[in-house]
Amino acid sequence: GAGVSQSPSNKVTEKGKDVELRCDPISGHTALYWYRQSLGQGLEFLIYFQGNSAPDKSGLPSDRFSAERTGGSVSTLTIQRTQQEDSAVYLCASSLVGYSNQPQHFGDGTRLSIL
Amino acid sequence: ELKVEQNPLFLSMQEGKNYTIYCNYSTTSDRLYWYRQDPGKSLESLFVLLSNGAVKQEGRLMASLDTKARLSTLHITAAVHDLSATYFCAVEGNNNDMRFGAGTRLTVKP
Repeated sequence: GAGVSQSPSNKVTEKGKDVELRCDPISGHTALYWYRQSLGQGLEFLIYFQGNSAPDKSGLPSDRFSAERTGGSVSTLTIQRTQQEDSAVYLCASSLVGYSNQPQHFGDGTRLSIL
Repeated sequence: ELKVEQNPLFLSMQEGKNYTIYCNYSTTSDRLYWYRQDPGKSLESLFVLLSNGAVKQEGRLMASLDTKARLSTLHITAAVHDLSATYFCAVEGNNNDMRFGAGTRLTVKP
């Protein structure tokens, strides 16, 4: 596609439910990143994929968070047993090659609200 | 742990004035990025700075990097209203991570 695509754009769910967020990176981009942005705050790095593998998962806030990437393309971020503090905008970005001189291209984000 | 600090966090400028936003970081890195975010929108890449002494300019914005001082600056020349946005710097860490500053919310007033 022309840019990074994220879905859904908005998600409202009850506390305790599981949610799955999807990111479709730019075609040909091998690197994919997930971030979380709380209202009026900067970006919190969550995880980075080079191809299908994530070298370091320590940025994930808790064991309720998991992420996977298949086929070197689409990635999903799953939050289990959601809590109110999980409410934020979840941003996905991709770049041609991870951590090189290439800037990251960001999607429009998924705005997650936990009631 | 890599920490990135931006200042100021809020900046209100008159049109036509100049100002500089500062980005300090705590550990060695030679890859620094500047992004712009408009309200309700995602981030747009402005500059990629890859070496000590790197300077890049686009329109009224100029970014520089001093890796020895662990400092990058984003200089705004003759500000115009269209530059109103939040500006983020981001630094690559050594552990496959990317750390962002808290952002500088710039408002340019007529």
